[in-house]
Amino acid sequence: KNEVEQSPQNLTAQEGEFITINCSYSVGISALHWLQQHPGGGIVSLFMLSSGKKKHGRLIATINIQEKHSSLHITASHPRDSAVYICAVRSVYGGSQGNLIFGKGTKLSVKP
Amino acid sequence: EAGVVQSPRYKIIEKKQPVAFWCNPISGHNTLYWYRQNLGQGPELLIRYENEEAVDDSQLPKDRFSAERLKGVDSTLKIQPAELGDSAVYLCASSLGQVGTEAFFGQGTRLTVV
Repeated sequence: KNEVEQSPQNLTAQEGEFITINCSYSVGISALHWLQQHPGGGIVSLFMLSSGKKKHGRLIATINIQEKHSSLHITASHPRDSAVYICAVRSVYGGSQGNLIFGKGTKLSVKP
Repeated sequence: EAGVVQSPRYKIIEKKQPVAFWCNPISGHNTLYWYRQNLGQGPELLIRYENEEAVDDSQLPKDRFSAERLKGVDSTLKIQPAELGDSAVYLCASSLGQVGTEAFFGQGTRLTVV
């Protein structure tokens, strides 16, 4: 079982729809990151969370430490939001302490 | 200030040839990571540096991969000889530290081995 699981794997939405991407993890973490990756490979950090909720423009990220779950929401989605969204956690235990552990990503396509 | 800079952006080589990737992290960032990302997968750690010391290279295929971070700043990742299965995006990231610090990523180098 992967230490970081994302759902859904693929998501197609119509412009304007509210979008939710989920991330569950099984390890102890010091922080959780939501990242955006456009075709071509570059990764942009959207949020870093250790508790609660953060908002930036149309993006909202929440984390529930007890349930080991985080969600990324996009309000009023737009075609330019089309990208792969990756959840990554920073482990606090064992040999992987300090490393980022990545989910496989959610590929979002927003149709006009 | 520039972010994490990687070069080249794209590289196509024949199998059995050597290849090298270069990464310039954000100024002052002590921690540097190299990741490999296969198509449709999340990035996987190859090596993590704290300053000039490789503190986690457990996932680095040491028979053909090598990395260095001279003076704790720039880093190079080398593959020699390259195999078809090495085709992937190689990402470099840097952060101020480990716990509670944000990681910043470069644009990546897309390697195609033919």
